[in-house]
Amino acid sequence: AQSVTQPDIHITVSEGASLELRCNYSYGATPYLFWYVQSPGQGLQLLLKYFSGDTLVQGIKGFEAEFKRSQSSFNLRKPSVHWSDAAEYFCAVDSYSSASKIIFGSGTRLSIRP
Amino acid sequence: DAGVIQSPRHEVTEMGQEVTLRCKPISGHDYLFWYRQTMMRGLELLIYFNNNVPIDDSGMPEDRFSAKMPNASFSTLKIQPSEPRDSAVYFCASSQGQPNTEAFFGQGTRLTVV
Repeated sequence: AQSVTQPDIHITVSEGASLELRCNYSYGATPYLFWYVQSPGQGLQLLLKYFSGDTLVQGIKGFEAEFKRSQSSFNLRKPSVHWSDAAEYFCAVDSYSSASKIIFGSGTRLSIRP
Repeated sequence: DAGVIQSPRHEVTEMGQEVTLRCKPISGHDYLFWYRQTMMRGLELLIYFNNNVPIDDSGMPEDRFSAKMPNASFSTLKIQPSEPRDSAVYFCASSQGQPNTEAFFGQGTRLTVV
């Protein structure tokens, strides 16, 4: 069965600093990968997704992620964070074998230091 | 389209009472997912439907939980009887279920069982 691991529960970075959030997945084939963001009291919003092709994908709000098959990773990055980026970030995988089934990681809470 | 619509946004109920959460997916989406979010367990997939048919309900915690999708535009998640440990935010999401699409989430229903 597929699974998603986000090893960092909580990360604090200074405003303007770079950011990398880690995500590892477990699945036999190439899964479909997503990053979602959740602001307090809100639902989840898609940041970016990877299905095939270029392993570096660009998303909204200046985020990007790189798919590395050899490491089973799909880390999220941003060169310079803004205070408004403070939120919870979820990595997700859809195996799409016989049917679509989206599984989420446990999330990483991002705090921004002024 | 207005997106995925969930109701109510907030629900407070007494232990032992029946609770029904409602979801209207995005028109044209073939998949509907119910998730539960808690601090302890993160985002858990409870059940999902494809073309109104339940595909996988292995995430439903107990027989007290049931979900239905009588038609393509409506789904319910029912808890009977409710218990304090059911307190959580319940999200509904829908997708086209195709390899190049993502899930769209509702705003969630915050359930408190006292």
